[in-house]
Amino acid sequence: GENVEQHPSTLSVQEGDSAVIKCTYSDSASNYFPWYKQELGKRPQLIIDIRSNVGEKKDQRIAVTLNKTAKHFSLHITETQPEDSAVYFCAAGQGGKLIFGQGTELSVKP
Amino acid sequence: NAGVTQTPKFQVLKTGQSMTLQCAQDMNHEYMSWYRQDPGMGLRLIHYSVGAGITDQGEVPNGYNVSRSTTEDFPLRLLSAAPSQTSVYFCASSYSWALNQETQYFGPGTRLLVL
Repeated sequence: GENVEQHPSTLSVQEGDSAVIKCTYSDSASNYFPWYKQELGKRPQLIIDIRSNVGEKKDQRIAVTLNKTAKHFSLHITETQPEDSAVYFCAAGQGGKLIFGQGTELSVKP
Repeated sequence: NAGVTQTPKFQVLKTGQSMTLQCAQDMNHEYMSWYRQDPGMGLRLIHYSVGAGITDQGEVPNGYNVSRSTTEDFPLRLLSAAPSQTSVYFCASSYSWALNQETQYFGPGTRLLVL
């Protein structure tokens, strides 16, 4: 079945550094790739998404890249801040069905 | 709009009991999904629906039933609860997949403990 692998599972960076999280997916029919941020005890919230007809998208300090041929996509956070500390999930899907990665716990140290 | 609502917030069950987790949205969203979240396992898709009367299985459907009689509601039924179903359950909805409106909005979650 469909599978989404996410790495690393934990990531610790200094404030101001960049953070990169990578995901690979197995279903070549996937056409939608969102990233969610989840703070402790709260619901996941969308931070950025990309569709299969776009290779890169940027929103302020956050960017996502997609390589459909290799079936992988990445989240880039620049100038990290302590409030970026959370668990981040990637997902891939099509037709209403989203499969999530296992999550990355990002810790930004002041 | 209330968005996506879930009830109850927290529930304790004994093994073998049945219950229904409620999910409702008031955004006229066609697509709805149920996920469970366990430590280190991310969000796993249980069932999803692309419209009223249409449901399909996700990654981990065993032990769960769903129905979608209205656009607004998407209840999740546990027929005979097992300790392995202890988890946090999230419901999510999105407007449409075909119209670049795929963003899924999550409910606040239901924390379920099965003893």
